[in-house]
Amino acid sequence: AIRMTQSPSSFSASTGDRVTITCRASQGISSYLAWYQQKPGKAPKLLIYAASTLQSGVPSRFSGSGSGTDFTLTISCLQSEDFATYYCQQYYSYPPSFGQGTKLEIK
Amino acid sequence: EVQLVESGGVVVQPGGSLRLSCAASGFTFDDYAMHWVRQAPGKGLEWVSLISWDGGSTYYADSVKGRFTISRDNSKNSLYLQMNSLRAEDTALYYCAKDQGGILRVFDYWGQGTLVTVSS
Repeated sequence: AIRMTQSPSSFSASTGDRVTITCRASQGISSYLAWYQQKPGKAPKLLIYAASTLQSGVPSRFSGSGSGTDFTLTISCLQSEDFATYYCQQYYSYPPSFGQGTKLEIK
Repeated sequence: EVQLVESGGVVVQPGGSLRLSCAASGFTFDDYAMHWVRQAPGKGLEWVSLISWDGGSTYYADSVKGRFTISRDNSKNSLYLQMNSLRAEDTALYYCAKDQGGILRVFDYWGQGTLVTVSS
């Protein structure tokens, strides 16, 4: 099974900041990577798939990059509604697997 | 509008059984694979199972293989998860999720989840 590791596990930032979350796969997954956002008490929401393709309706301040084993999710200008937990997920092979999550909190 | 509504979550004793349901609407149900994904309290996401659009192919996480069975009824736009031999570690919020494509394993829509608690 492919292990996904996110860093950091949590951090604080301010509205307007540019933030980057990193996701590393235990083996190469090409670009078969998705990012999800989850707010407390809510279901996850798909943000990005194929490492860098924005899901319909997702604001353009979100972007993704990477291939192989190293990936990043960048939020260019944090808004109040972006404070949430973010998960990466590989779908290169079975079983599909998630990172442990990165909790983004307000500073 | 895509809607996924799970039901069936309850408190059940270890070793017990349970059947979860997911009612889908707002899309052509039999065009897409469907998944169950769970989240233990305060923990991350864990994929549980997948069923192809026609029910002909199913896949399971090792943690539930041999105990859980996924199925679907396309005439009722419904997805199911039969859970047997339940363990404390199966306690979680169970989400029904739509696959983005055939069997891409990208989850583009999620329900709100149904809570399964395994406890004596």
